[in-house]
Amino acid sequence: QQQVKQSPQSLIVQKGGISIINCAYENTAFDYFPWYQQFPGKGPALLIAIRPDVSEKKEGRFTISFNKSAKQFSLHIMDSQPGDSATYFCAASYVRDDKIIFGKGTRLHILP
Amino acid sequence: GAGVSQSPRYKVTKRGQDVALRCDPISGHVSLYWYRQALGQGPEFLTYFNYEAQQDKSGLPNDRFSAERPEGSISTLTIQRTEQRDSAMYRCASRGAGNTIYFGEGSWLTVV
Repeated sequence: QQQVKQSPQSLIVQKGGISIINCAYENTAFDYFPWYQQFPGKGPALLIAIRPDVSEKKEGRFTISFNKSAKQFSLHIMDSQPGDSATYFCAASYVRDDKIIFGKGTRLHILP
Repeated sequence: GAGVSQSPRYKVTKRGQDVALRCDPISGHVSLYWYRQALGQGPEFLTYFNYEAQQDKSGLPNDRFSAERPEGSISTLTIQRTEQRDSAMYRCASRGAGNTIYFGEGSWLTVV
């Protein structure tokens, strides 16, 4: 049973464009939704995170949009740059001290 | 240490042998996680600890897998009687007071 479903599997965006990655979750008890960025040969690193009491969070060019009723959240990368080319994982957890469940990842490639 | 340290970085072992993978978390971090990440996939939860107590081991695939963290710091993931299907990247992560988990660079295990 996949608790966090991520799409698309891969994405190609022109430099300067908007990259959008979507996630859907099943368990309404989840209360923390992070996005992780992973470069080849490295471990995933936290990019941005949101809690379900807000609908949007923005940090620089990165924005999370959260739709609690639809149990969906998405990552938007504005003005995408070649350096943003990486694999992105959405994730969810129940409470602060519990395990974090990851999506299968989206390979993003930004064309120069 | 400055980051999560894992050893060995690469391990090739013959089928049927036991392997032990070590994780040294960020100093002072209470929570320690083990994940398995297949190529092109998201991290798959295996188990996690708070201090020395194993809180959840529901992700361990079978009884050949075990983990310990006897003094609440360094942890060891042990795989007994390895099989080819055990070949993967094994990642350790730790978390302190906040919600962010920090991943190590992983241990590549190849079973031949």
